[in-house]
Amino acid sequence: AQSVSQHNHHVILSEAASLELGCNYSYGGTVNLFWYVQYPGQHLQLLLKYFSGDPLVKGIKGFEAEFIKSKFSFNLRKPSVQWSDTAEYFCAVNALKGTASKLTFGTGTRLQVTL
Amino acid sequence: EAGVAQSPRYKIIEKRQSVAFWCNPISGHATLYWYQQILGQGPKLLIQFQNNGVVDDSQLPKDRFSAERLKGVDSTLKIQPAKLEDSAVYLCASSSAFGGATDTQYFGPGTRLTVL
Repeated sequence: AQSVSQHNHHVILSEAASLELGCNYSYGGTVNLFWYVQYPGQHLQLLLKYFSGDPLVKGIKGFEAEFIKSKFSFNLRKPSVQWSDTAEYFCAVNALKGTASKLTFGTGTRLQVTL
Repeated sequence: EAGVAQSPRYKIIEKRQSVAFWCNPISGHATLYWYQQILGQGPKLLIQFQNNGVVDDSQLPKDRFSAERLKGVDSTLKIQPAKLEDSAVYLCASSSAFGGATDTQYFGPGTRLTVL
């Protein structure tokens, strides 16, 4: 069974600080990887995704993530965070099994950016 | 384009009562998902529909949960009877393609259920 681990549960950063959120997954086959974000009072929305090709993926709002297959990792990064990045971030993995795809989420990381 | 709609947004019931949630996916989206998100956890898939057929309901507690997607559009998730541990946010999502592993899922605002 696939699983996702996000080791940072709550991160507090000052504006302009660099961000890296860890994500590790467990699955033996080919996976597709996602980062979703939930801003306060809003619904989950896609930040970026990786299917194949260049392991460095760029998403919206200056976020990027790097897929390192040997480490089963898909860490999220941003060079300089803004107060508006305050949100909860979820890493997710999707592996196609038979006719169904199963999106498995990590427990999330709450990011708080202070002014 | 309108997003995924869900209602109600909040629901408070007592244990052993029944409750139903409604979801209207993005127009034209063939695949619909229901997730349960317990406080402090990530969303967990309960059931996936492809048009009006069930593709995966392996994590749906079928003794108390049921879901249907008549006519392949709207969907209803029901809990009967509810237990305290069912307190959670119930999320509906949809995707345009055939539920493949590369699909982007679009989420609704969720229904926050409190069972007393």
